[in-house]
Amino acid sequence: AQTVTQSQPEMSVQEAETVTLSCTYDTSESDYYLFWYKQPPSRQMILVIRQEAYKQQNATENRFSVNFQKAAKSFSLKISDSQLGDAAMYFCAYRRNAGNMLTFGGGTRLMVKP
Amino acid sequence: DTGVSQDPRHKITKRGQNVTFRCDPISEHNRLYWYRQTLGQGPEFLTYFQNEAQLEKSRLLSDRFSAERPKGSFSTLEIQRTEQGDSAMYLCASSLAGQVVEQYFGPGTRLTVT
Repeated sequence: AQTVTQSQPEMSVQEAETVTLSCTYDTSESDYYLFWYKQPPSRQMILVIRQEAYKQQNATENRFSVNFQKAAKSFSLKISDSQLGDAAMYFCAYRRNAGNMLTFGGGTRLMVKP
Repeated sequence: DTGVSQDPRHKITKRGQNVTFRCDPISEHNRLYWYRQTLGQGPEFLTYFQNEAQLEKSRLLSDRFSAERPKGSFSTLEIQRTEQGDSAMYLCASSLAGQVVEQYFGPGTRLTVT
């Protein structure tokens, strides 16, 4: 079974600074997808960024980028120029190629200090 | 399109009672997912529909849980004989069919069993 681990329950960053959230996963599959979701307080979960395992190039979406290390089974999220609106729970998620369900990590609470 | 909606947003019930939640997906989405999220944890997959067919069920979905999507549009999740351990946020998501598609999440229904 696939597992996703987020080892940082909480992280804090100063506004305008950069922060990196860690995620590791375990799978025997070679073809899969990885995602970072953001869940603001009392609001619904939204997709931040996704990475296809067959792609060597790291995904980037504006201020958000990932460092995907397939051999190490590591998938970290870097947030540049942090903004107050980035404060939220961040979940790393895995989906195997032929599957439909998402397997989530336990989440990292990101606090942004003004 | 207003996104995925769920009703009710909050439900308080006494142990042993039955509860039913409703999810309305994004109108053109033919896939619908249910997840459960306990406090401080990531969501866990419960079940998945493609159109009206329930194609996958987690072992978490005990026989007290039943989900339906009778016309391939909205879905209901019923929990019979609720237990305190059922207290959680129940999240619904929807997506189009396809290889790499985003799951769009609803705001969730928070269930408290007293």
